[in-house]
Amino acid sequence: GNSVTQMEGPVTLSEEAFLTINCTYTATGYPSLFWYVQYPGEGLQLLLKATKADDKGSNKGFEATYRKETTSFHLEKGSVQVSDSAVYFCALRNANFNKFYFGSGTKLNVKP
Amino acid sequence: EAQVTQNPRYLITVTGKKLTVTCSQNMNHEYMSWYRQDPGLGLRQIYYSMNVEVTDKGDVPEGYKVSRKEKRNFPLILESPSPNQTSLYFCATGFASGRQETQYFGPGTRLLVL
Repeated sequence: GNSVTQMEGPVTLSEEAFLTINCTYTATGYPSLFWYVQYPGEGLQLLLKATKADDKGSNKGFEATYRKETTSFHLEKGSVQVSDSAVYFCALRNANFNKFYFGSGTKLNVKP
Repeated sequence: EAQVTQNPRYLITVTGKKLTVTCSQNMNHEYMSWYRQDPGLGLRQIYYSMNVEVTDKGDVPEGYKVSRKEKRNFPLILESPSPNQTSLYFCATGFASGRQETQYFGPGTRLLVL
């Protein structure tokens, strides 16, 4: 079956620190992979995506590379800001484009 | 402005009292979906719809019903709510084809079943 596993939080960093949030997946076929961000009291927003192996998604300084050989899609940012504090969800869409699977979410706290 | 609207945003109800949470979108999306978000479990898909009159179960459909009579609306129905359905619910919409992968999420509905 399909599933997503991401590192548990919370993750607490100082401003300008390097961020990695690990995400691994199990899937049949060729899924698409996503990172979503949720700010307090809001719905989820798409942060970045990758639709095939070796694709790199990027947005707002965040990056993630679709690694089929390690079934991973780790989120990275070189220098985090206080405004990046949020919950981050890794997700996959199955090859039939009809179902989505989300990880449990990782809360990021960035301190000034 | 592109919007996904959910109503109500907050609801407190009692066990067994039927309720409906509405979801409406103005983006002409074929795909619509409902999720519930619970601490430590992330989002889990309840039902989805690929187009009008086409609905199917997600991972956690028990205790829920949906309908898709019009493209813009996708209501979530709890015929007999129970306390284990206390959760934060999100509606999401998107295109059904693989070329447009983005889902747009509504603001959420927080439900408490006593």
